[in-house]
Amino acid sequence: QKEVEQNSGPLSVPEGAIASLNCTYSDRGSQSFFWYRQYSGKSPELIMFIYSNGDKEDGRFTAQLNKASQYVSLLIRDSQPSDSATYLCAVKGSNYQLIWGAGTKLIIKP
Amino acid sequence: KAGVTQTPRYLIKTRGQQVTLSCSPISGHRSVSWYQQTPGQGLQFLFEYFSETQRNKGNFPGRFSGRQFSNSRSEMNVSTLELGDSALYLCASSLDSGGLPPGNTIYFGEGSWLTVV
Repeated sequence: QKEVEQNSGPLSVPEGAIASLNCTYSDRGSQSFFWYRQYSGKSPELIMFIYSNGDKEDGRFTAQLNKASQYVSLLIRDSQPSDSATYLCAVKGSNYQLIWGAGTKLIIKP
Repeated sequence: KAGVTQTPRYLIKTRGQQVTLSCSPISGHRSVSWYQQTPGQGLQFLFEYFSETQRNKGNFPGRFSGRQFSNSRSEMNVSTLELGDSALYLCASSLDSGGLPPGNTIYFGEGSWLTVV
């Protein structure tokens, strides 16, 4: 069974620090990787996607992909209290199905 | 560009009733997926439609069904509602589900909150 695993947290990070969220996946044929943010009671919103090995930066967010080690991570620089949310990792597998991690709850402490 | 629109946003039903939820995808998007999310639970995939055809289906009982129309709008139906069906139902759309981003990137609607009493 194809899986995506995330540490459920909560991950507590001081305001202004770097938050590091990790995700591992089992399907070696996966090609597309996504990070979503979900606030309590709201629907998930896309933060960014990545499909090439290496880093991809968008503002305070950096996604890192390592296909050989089968992990993808999300770094949030200069963390703000408004970044407190659950972060969902999603992986498009070789059968084109989108597999979701259970999410990591992030808490930014002022 | 309008986002994914789901209706109704909130509804309360009684056990044994049925419910129909509607989803209008982003203009030009042909793939529509449905998810169930209960408190403290992750996203549970229900089904995906592309060009009026069901492409994938999750592990839900036959009481859960869906369809897609020629204009890509989609509906899902839950018959014989149970208390455990109380959840946030999310619709998401993408240009297509294959290929690479951004084409296969899904965008969610605000969801329909269903309460079964």
